[in-house]
Amino acid sequence: GENVEQHPSTLSVQEGDSAVIKCTYSDSASNYFPWYKQELGKGPQLIIDIRSNVGEKKDQRIAVTLNKTAKHFSLHITETQPEDSAVYFCAASTMDSSYKLIFGSGTRLLVRP
Amino acid sequence: EAQVTQNPRYLITVTGKKLTVTCSQNMNHEYMSWYRQDPGLGLRQIYYSMNVEVTDKGDVPEGYKVSRKEKRNFPLILESPSPNQTSLYFCASSSTLYTEAFFGQGTRLTVV
Repeated sequence: GENVEQHPSTLSVQEGDSAVIKCTYSDSASNYFPWYKQELGKGPQLIIDIRSNVGEKKDQRIAVTLNKTAKHFSLHITETQPEDSAVYFCAASTMDSSYKLIFGSGTRLLVRP
Repeated sequence: EAQVTQNPRYLITVTGKKLTVTCSQNMNHEYMSWYRQDPGLGLRQIYYSMNVEVTDKGDVPEGYKVSRKEKRNFPLILESPSPNQTSLYFCASSSTLYTEAFFGQGTRLTVV
């Protein structure tokens, strides 16, 4: 079945710097890759997603890139702000007989003022 | 307001005492799922439902049951809770697997 690995587990950056979180997946047939942000005490919220027919997608300071050949996708946050501090999860959809999203283990991002 | 509502938010119970965590969504979503979140393990899917009366196991279904008798509700049932089910639980709903999932606020369960 699908397996998603996420790195790093923790990331500390200075305000204004960029942050990059990377994920790899195992099922070459997966075709949907969302990223979720979880603030303290809350449920995860979708921040951006990408489908397998697209290589890159941007939304203001956030971008996601997908390399289907290498089976990895990355989240890029530019000009980081303290409110970007949270836990970020990547996920990949399964395409076998099940119908699931498989999540990575999460990255705790700390943006230092 | 579009939302997923879970209850209770916090629960402390004893081993073996049956409990139910409720989940309700007001967005007419067909796909609903339950996850547990444990440190270092991310979100692991327990069960999911593609529509009324259609449910299937996720990656960690042991010790849990679900039902989907109505489109809006998807309760999680622990028939005989054990300490290893101490965790943070999230319910989520979406139109399909390939669209935004909306998560509830979470239920922190402690089994002693």
